Amino acid sequence: GAGVSQSPRYKVAKRGQDVALRCDPISGHVSLFWYQQALGQGPEFLTYFQNEAQLDKSGLPSDRFFAERPEGSVSTLKIQRTQQEDSAVYLCASSLLGSSYNEQFFGPGTRLTVL
Amino acid sequence: GESVGLHLPTLSVQEGDNSIINCAYSNSASDYFIWYKQESGKGPQFIIDIRSNMDKRQGQRVTVLLNKTVKHLSLQIAATQPGDSAVYFCAEVGNKLVFGAGTILRVKS
Repeated sequence: GAGVSQSPRYKVAKRGQDVALRCDPISGHVSLFWYQQALGQGPEFLTYFQNEAQLDKSGLPSDRFFAERPEGSVSTLKIQRTQQEDSAVYLCASSLLGSSYNEQFFGPGTRLTVL
Repeated sequence: GESVGLHLPTLSVQEGDNSIINCAYSNSASDYFIWYKQESGKGPQFIIDIRSNMDKRQGQRVTVLLNKTVKHLSLQIAATQPGDSAVYFCAEVGNKLVFGAGTILRVKS
């Protein structure tokens, strides 16, 4: 079956532009996670959804970052007024049940470069 | 705050040799850990996990060791193959995953 997919795979933005990154989780998965991975670093948690409810957004670095999952399936991570420090790979993961203890399946990520 | 410390070294091994990748964590209350493999251009892939009530767990060609006294994890890969070349992360599982920085494993043929 299909895994987690993300689009676009690569995004180049000029500083100050808004971007929207999409995640299609595995069908039926309750939980969806977003991570930010800087070059040479491990992924860092951004936010977590259980169905359509955003239960944890403690990792979002600023109010320029916004995530939604309105119908409990596809999710979008939006970054407003992008800055160079936002350059990173943004990873999405989904898991079948509503706990971080359940195995998370990761997508390939979207590489964002802000010029 | 809690953290999983794994500086980004590179480990080069000869094909067929065993590999050992190490990880230190700081939160002594953590009770669940996962090792991930990440190949270039892909997301992390689950390899093996271990709970804090165990000190060793074996999978296919991989073994994870947990030393709670010194808050240390290791991943052992037996008979390392070229396909094992990747970045390896340990992660601490609480209400969220906390990843270390990763170790690059290079397998020489």
